[in-house]
Amino acid sequence: DTAVSQTPKYLVTQMGNDKSIKCEQNLGHDTMYWYKQDSKKFLKIMFSYNNKELIINETVPNRFSPKSPDKAHLNLHINSLELGDSAVYFCASSELGGVGYTFGSGTRLTVV
Amino acid sequence: KNEVEQSPQNLTAQEGEFITINCSYSVGISALHWLQQHPGGGIVSLFMLSSGKKKHGRLIATINIQEKHSSLHITASHPRDSAVYICAVVRNNNDMRFGAGTRLTVKP
Repeated sequence: DTAVSQTPKYLVTQMGNDKSIKCEQNLGHDTMYWYKQDSKKFLKIMFSYNNKELIINETVPNRFSPKSPDKAHLNLHINSLELGDSAVYFCASSELGGVGYTFGSGTRLTVV
Repeated sequence: KNEVEQSPQNLTAQEGEFITINCSYSVGISALHWLQQHPGGGIVSLFMLSSGKKKHGRLIATINIQEKHSSLHITASHPRDSAVYICAVVRNNNDMRFGAGTRLTVKP
């Protein structure tokens, strides 16, 4: 029944590894997002997809690559993880105009 | 300067007090959300506003589009209201820009 589900909830990995975070929404929303919350709890947009098409890419390093196989899924793949990538990553979805904005429960990524 | 400014950063109140959190923004928006984030980390949208005022239980949110300002009020505050409250604006391409959050602690 979870509207926006992210997996895994926690991810601990070593520097240099490649990892993926998955996100799925069952709300029928056309737009999905990835947000990053840093250690100071500040949230910032990373990517936005509308109907599988990339809309926003906010100066995120090339090591981050979103993939949207269909409008219900937006996965985040991160190559060559660095210490500074440690953060909580939130997936979200909405209808046009920001209606029904719904967040996933977050993935806490720790790079050691 | 952040596109969305919130005040105060931290707020401690006694149970029962009336609380106000303010938000000012500098970009064009299609809507504004007030979000709540509990210590467990989950984020929930309390209100979505594009004009006027909305009320839900003890929470009231207002927005003045001309002045680019919004407020969140909590009446008869309770310890369970303790959380981080985040003002977030939705830009015309639907992404959100966030304030830095207000950490509210309500003491019994």
